[in-house]
Amino acid sequence: QLQLQESGPGLVKPSETLSLTCTVSGVSISSSGYYWGWIRQPPGKGLEWIGAIYYSGSTYYNPSLKSRVTISADASKNQLSLKLSSVTAADTALYSCARLGDSSGYGYPYIDHWGQGTLVTVSS
Amino acid sequence: SYVLTQPPSVSVAPGRTATITCGGNNIGRKTVHWYQQKSGQAPVLVIYYDKDRPSGIPERFSGSNSGNTATLTISRVEAGDEADYYCQVWETIIDHVVFGGGTKLTVL
Repeated sequence: QLQLQESGPGLVKPSETLSLTCTVSGVSISSSGYYWGWIRQPPGKGLEWIGAIYYSGSTYYNPSLKSRVTISADASKNQLSLKLSSVTAADTALYSCARLGDSSGYGYPYIDHWGQGTLVTVSS
Repeated sequence: SYVLTQPPSVSVAPGRTATITCGGNNIGRKTVHWYQQKSGQAPVLVIYYDKDRPSGIPERFSGSNSGNTATLTISRVEAGDEADYYCQVWETIIDHVVFGGGTKLTVL
């Protein structure tokens, strides 16, 4: 059974870099046809897409965050990572990793598995 | 960037039908997915490819997409359907996910 578990510091200082890891179990992140991504949700607000990495290694980012975001994958550890630089209080959110599938191959992926998320607070 | 517009809230009595809309420019030419997020839980996919239901999702959940509006319909609403619902598309021009702002469904 596929499981995703986020980990990382729960508190980050303003202007520093937020770093999170997602450990995937039950399936290889190198599995053909899947994207592995990050989504965040500020307390009491809606979902915001951060970005994803395709199994081939291609990355896709939210244009509004692109200049600050790096998503990478370590197949040997079956882990996904997120780095968000120059954080401010507006980056305080629940950060979740997820798998995106596209069972029909139409090129319109959807999120079929979510992690429970980890709350990151940006504060001095 | 592509924008998806959802009503902030929808209220419905138990047993009635709830309709949640997702507006976007020519959204009918895109493929829409829908998620249900209950309080304190991770979202769950309830409709994908406009109208397909994942295994385990009741037939009461259905979707449609045409013109400038995609719609999630929940028939015979139950108290357990109370949740936030989000629509999502994959923006093909610059290849990224776009979420709607979410709709809070209240069962009266």
